[in-house]
Amino acid sequence: DQQVKQNSPSLSVQEGRISILNCDYTNSMFDYFLWYKKYPAEGPTFLISISSIKDKNEDGRFTVFLNKSAKHLSLHIVPSQPGDSAVYFCAASARSNYQLIWGAGTKLIIKP
Amino acid sequence: DAGITQSPRHKVTETGTPVTLRCHQTENHRYMYWYRQDPGHGLRLIHYSYGVKDTDKGEVSDGYSVSRSKTEDFLLTLESATSSQTSVYFCASSGHGTGSGGTGELFFGEGSRLTVL
Repeated sequence: DQQVKQNSPSLSVQEGRISILNCDYTNSMFDYFLWYKKYPAEGPTFLISISSIKDKNEDGRFTVFLNKSAKHLSLHIVPSQPGDSAVYFCAASARSNYQLIWGAGTKLIIKP
Repeated sequence: DAGITQSPRHKVTETGTPVTLRCHQTENHRYMYWYRQDPGHGLRLIHYSYGVKDTDKGEVSDGYSVSRSKTEDFLLTLESATSSQTSVYFCASSGHGTGSGGTGELFFGEGSRLTVL
């Protein structure tokens, strides 16, 4: 049973527009959420995170929104650029637990 | 960026043979992790270490063992490889644990693609 779900395997967005990647979770004990970005033949790299005490965190073109009641978070990329084409993973952790639980990833394709 | 390297990057082996994957980090990070990535599953934790000689199991530890004799090195061993262990393996390190209170940020190696025939 997947505790972190990314229901869209892929997403195609026009360059310059907004990309919205979604992530749902089932474990109410999760209190920290992260997004990682992965290019082919490379390891994932950290992008942005959010604590459960917040509902929004922003870093340049990237904003993560957290809706605890819906157990849903989303990553917004504005404006989308060709270099944003990658696989994006959502991950979550619970207090005092060393394990990050990962979603299956969403492949973002930015069209010129 | 954390300096973290994995070896070998690619390996093809036969069922029943032992395999060891190596991870080396130069950041003096306390925590190290081994993940596997399979289509449709994201990354799944195999084992992790929270210090020299201190290791624990992750969610998919069966068939794997690890050792950490030095801060910088974390070895993953498949005692007798099976076809179900065909996967891409990622090593990661962090200065803090990934639970609440730590930054949760992991630094990953480039991955090791293992094929078991």
